[in-house]
This record gives sequence, structure tokens and C-alpha cells, in this order.
Amino acid sequence: KNQVEQSPQSLIILEGKNCTLQCNYTVSPFSNLRWYKQDTGRGPVSLTIMTFSENTKSNGRYTATLDADTKQSSLHITASQLSDSASYICVVPMGQNFVFGPGTRLSVLP
Amino acid sequence: EAGVTQSPTHLIKTRGQQATLRCSPISGHTSVYWYQQALGLGLQFLLWYDEGEERNRGNFPPRFSGRQFPNYSSELNVNALELEDSALYLCASSSNLAGGPVSYNEQFFGPGTRLTVL
Repeated sequence: KNQVEQSPQSLIILEGKNCTLQCNYTVSPFSNLRWYKQDTGRGPVSLTIMTFSENTKSNGRYTATLDADTKQSSLHITASQLSDSASYICVVPMGQNFVFGPGTRLSVLP
Repeated sequence: EAGVTQSPTHLIKTRGQQATLRCSPISGHTSVYWYQQALGLGLQFLLWYDEGEERNRGNFPPRFSGRQFPNYSSELNVNALELEDSALYLCASSSNLAGGPVSYNEQFFGPGTRLTVL
């Protein structure tokens, strides 16, 4: 079954700390993997798109990694800010469709 | 450059009624995707339109339908509303130069329409 799983389900960290979110997928064939940030009640905003040939990709304080062999991706957030509080969603295209992970809810506390 | 816009922001209906949601893609984008996000749940793919044609639909009943107009804007219609249709409905647009989701085309999401069915 083509799935995208994320962990942890939720995470609470203090402002300034780093954190890493995980995404495991079983979608095949694989073309690319996307990370989105979604603030509550808003539309998701793209953070990065990674192809199978990319191992690491950075976007400011966000760094995504991809291991196509183990079908795992991670999103590392450095020096977290209060504005990082949001849901982070991992997405993998499958055919003419997208498979969305359930998201990780991150709360950054002062 | 204007982003994806959706209207209305909020919509309140009663069971059995029909709802119409609208989406305007980013200028130059030909693909429009519709998603449903029930409270606390992940996004579920509803429909994909490109160049005026329905390209794919998710696992939703036929009372969820839509269309794409010549200017690439799109409309989602939900007939015979049920309580469980209450959700945030998100629209996303992308260029479709390389053929659909498996390409690397970025999806840009709108702010969503919050549909509440009473």
C-alpha cells in the first residue's frame, strides 16, 4: 500500500532549540518528495522539493534530507522561532495523485 | 504576483443544501487541485483539473464535482451536504509543463474555504 508516515505526531520545543521531523514513505515508483509548512487554518506553504538524486537541501533554517534507499526523509529546523509553530507535512506524488502524510504538529514555546 | 485566491473564506450551510467554492490560480498556471482537510486530519485529494479537463479524482462520492473555466479558475460543488463534509477545502495551482504530480512542478496553495455544515 502506498503510504506516507510521519513522526512524531506532535512535538514541543523551546525557542532557539533544534528539532528533526521524520517522514517514511512506501510510494513507488518514487519521483520526488515535498515538505510543506501549514499554519493553523491556512493553506500549506512549500518548504522544499527533493528529487531522488538529492540527499540534502536547505531553505534558510530548514534542511531536508532524503535517503531513497531506505525511503526516509527528515526535516531539520535550526534555532527554532515562535513562528515555526505549525504542522509540517510530507508529500509524495503517486501517479496522478499526491499522497499526504498526517503531519507533525510543532509547538515552539518561549 | 498574486497568489492563489479562494472564495468565500467561510461558508455555512445546512444538511442537504449545495455548496459552491471558487478558486483562482496563479496567473499562468493551468492545473488546479482541490483538497479536503477535516479538522485535525491530513489533506485528502479531491480533484485535479488541467486545461479545462478533469484529470483525476480522489476517493470521494459523485456529489463532489467541479469544473475548470477557460481562464483556468475552478469551482468545486458539493451537493446534498452531509455533516461530515465540514472541513477546510484547499485549492492549489501549478504549471503543468511536465505532466502532472510526478513532475517537479511546485504547488501553491490558497488560504482555503472553511465549510461548516449544520
